[in-house]
Amino acid sequence: RKEVEQDPGPFNVPEGATVAFNCTYSNSASQSFFWYRQDCRKEPKLLMSVYSSGNEDGRFTAQLNRASQYISLLIRDSKLSDSATYLCVVNIVPNFGNEKLTFGTGTRLTIIP
Amino acid sequence: GAVVSQHPSWVICKSGTSVKIECRSLDFQATTMFWYRQFPKQSLMLMATSNEGSKATYEQGVEKDKFLINHASLTLSTLTVTSAHPEDSSFYICSARDMTGINNQPQHFGDGTRLSIL
Repeated sequence: RKEVEQDPGPFNVPEGATVAFNCTYSNSASQSFFWYRQDCRKEPKLLMSVYSSGNEDGRFTAQLNRASQYISLLIRDSKLSDSATYLCVVNIVPNFGNEKLTFGTGTRLTIIP
Repeated sequence: GAVVSQHPSWVICKSGTSVKIECRSLDFQATTMFWYRQFPKQSLMLMATSNEGSKATYEQGVEKDKFLINHASLTLSTLTVTSAHPEDSSFYICSARDMTGINNQPQHFGDGTRLSIL
């Protein structure tokens, strides 16, 4: 089983639609959670951190369920500029040794005019 | 905010050449930096963790003699791909996290280096 699993997509949705991404992680020791977006042939850029209480940033809402080891991202009123690959990322920070980010394979989103 | 700079952004060279990639934290000190590799249509895979003043920690399957890492200062880590071959062609990305202040701050990534070995 992969450490971080995402639906690879692609998701092709019309402009203005609401899109939901899901992600599950296998390591219960994971401590922090993020959504990054990656444009074609570019580096990942942080979209938002994900907190247990859920958090919102404009059109983007992220949720975390530690019991189910599940993370979600909701994009409302999607724009053409939202087209990208969305990466679910978890971070493990052990008591000893180095932290480690683990990436999902990403979900490709294309917003259609 | 935290910024990570990576150089060069694109390298094309002949097989057998060694290539050095630099990663700098521009406005914070990074005792730890991370090196990733991404092949087309695949996820980022951690290659190694670079620790300032000590040896890097390599992930399983990554040859330490092939991918030399040096983290000589709190703002600079380098990755040298020695005697590169076509199968080393990939997108190499570094990242670092500002460990001061708020806990669990996200990692910030360099722009990446696209390496093409002919």
